[in-house]
Amino acid sequence: GENVEQHPSTLSVQEGDSAVIKCTYSDSASNYFPWYKQELGKGPQLIIDIRSNVGEKKDQRIAVTLNKTAKHFSLHITETQPEDSAVYFCAAREYALNFGKGTSLLVTP
Amino acid sequence: SQTIHQWPATLVQPVGSPLSLECTVEGTSNPNLYWYRQAAGRGLQLLFYSVGIGQISSEVPQNLSASRPQDRQFILSSKKLLLSDSGFYLCAWDGTSGSYNEQFFGPGTRLTVL
Repeated sequence: GENVEQHPSTLSVQEGDSAVIKCTYSDSASNYFPWYKQELGKGPQLIIDIRSNVGEKKDQRIAVTLNKTAKHFSLHITETQPEDSAVYFCAAREYALNFGKGTSLLVTP
Repeated sequence: SQTIHQWPATLVQPVGSPLSLECTVEGTSNPNLYWYRQAAGRGLQLLFYSVGIGQISSEVPQNLSASRPQDRQFILSSKKLLLSDSGFYLCAWDGTSGSYNEQFFGPGTRLTVL
């Protein structure tokens, strides 16, 4: 089955800096790659996704890139703000959604 | 628009007691429904999924069970809770066609077994 690896497990940046979270997947049939943000005590919230026919997608300060050949995808957050602090999950699916173990992002003022 | 509800929000139960967590989805029909558990740490473990009424697939054998009595209702149950059942239980839904469907999560239920 699909195996999704996510790095780093924790990330601390200063406000205004950029943050990058990377994921790799094993199943070349995976064709949909969402990212979720989970704040403490809440359910994960879908923040951006990318499909296999696209290499990059951007939504304001958030961007995701996909390299299907290398089977990795990344989340980029620019101009980070304290409210970006949360746990971020990547996932990959052909049918079932397979999650990475999460990255705890801390943005310090 | 679609919304997903879970209740209760928090629950404290003694070991050996029964469990019933409920999830309902509004604004869509014939959704795929999922139960995940998030134990200490951050990982999301898929427990059950359902593609229709009465259709349940189990991903992890354990003392939990799931049922789907109605199209937009998904219930997680246990006859006797274990300490290891403590965790954050999340219900999720997505569409029923193709493989590009976005999956949305509910607010979760925090279960503590004492």
